[in-house]
Amino acid sequence: DGGITQSPKYLFRKEGQNVTLSCEQNLNHDAMYWYRQDPGQGLRLIYYSQIVNDFQKGDIAEGYSVSREKKESFPLTVTSAQKNPTAFYLCASSTDRGIHNEQFFGPGTRLTVL
Amino acid sequence: GENVEQHPSTLSVQEGDSAVIKCTYSDSASNYFPWYKQELGKRPQLIIDIRSNVGEKKDQRIAVTLNKTAKHFSLHITETQPEDSAVYFCAATRPGYALNFGKGTSLLVTP
Repeated sequence: DGGITQSPKYLFRKEGQNVTLSCEQNLNHDAMYWYRQDPGQGLRLIYYSQIVNDFQKGDIAEGYSVSREKKESFPLTVTSAQKNPTAFYLCASSTDRGIHNEQFFGPGTRLTVL
Repeated sequence: GENVEQHPSTLSVQEGDSAVIKCTYSDSASNYFPWYKQELGKRPQLIIDIRSNVGEKKDQRIAVTLNKTAKHFSLHITETQPEDSAVYFCAATRPGYALNFGKGTSLLVTP
């Protein structure tokens, strides 16, 4: 379980506010990912990064932004442009040195818009 | 991204019976197929995975089979126990090392 952390565990946001979710890993993984989980929808990819200072949009990137200034950190900002942000957000990381490997997940952040 | 279809969405079995969950994928380039187990309120955890050069893999009571021609793979759990109750997700790789996930199967094992 250890090695990848997310904070906060619960987050409440008022409409119109931007919020930033933290994701940190000490596994020395190159690749990091953000997924959104809604009931009955599985995990949907928001953004991913294979290397520092580079990231790509996933399937539902609209209304979200990310940065990857350090290998260990991949924060996700939920902007006011995201119309339905209430969800469970999961961060993951993997080695991916030329082949696909296991993605390790953080404990998640549950975001609720009030 | 490319779709991963997962069936059934819910599955109820009696303790000791077997459970089978099936997934299909559409991206012929997919070459890694993990299965994750997620308990309520917890993070997904890998239980087994298979690569495209292998047709079957087994780990104690859990096995995965892969048919690349038909683009489907399945999870088999034998001798189910109440602690196997959880949501199970299949996934397949997509370009850029990310994963496409199925929508999940909620497995309930009743004593």
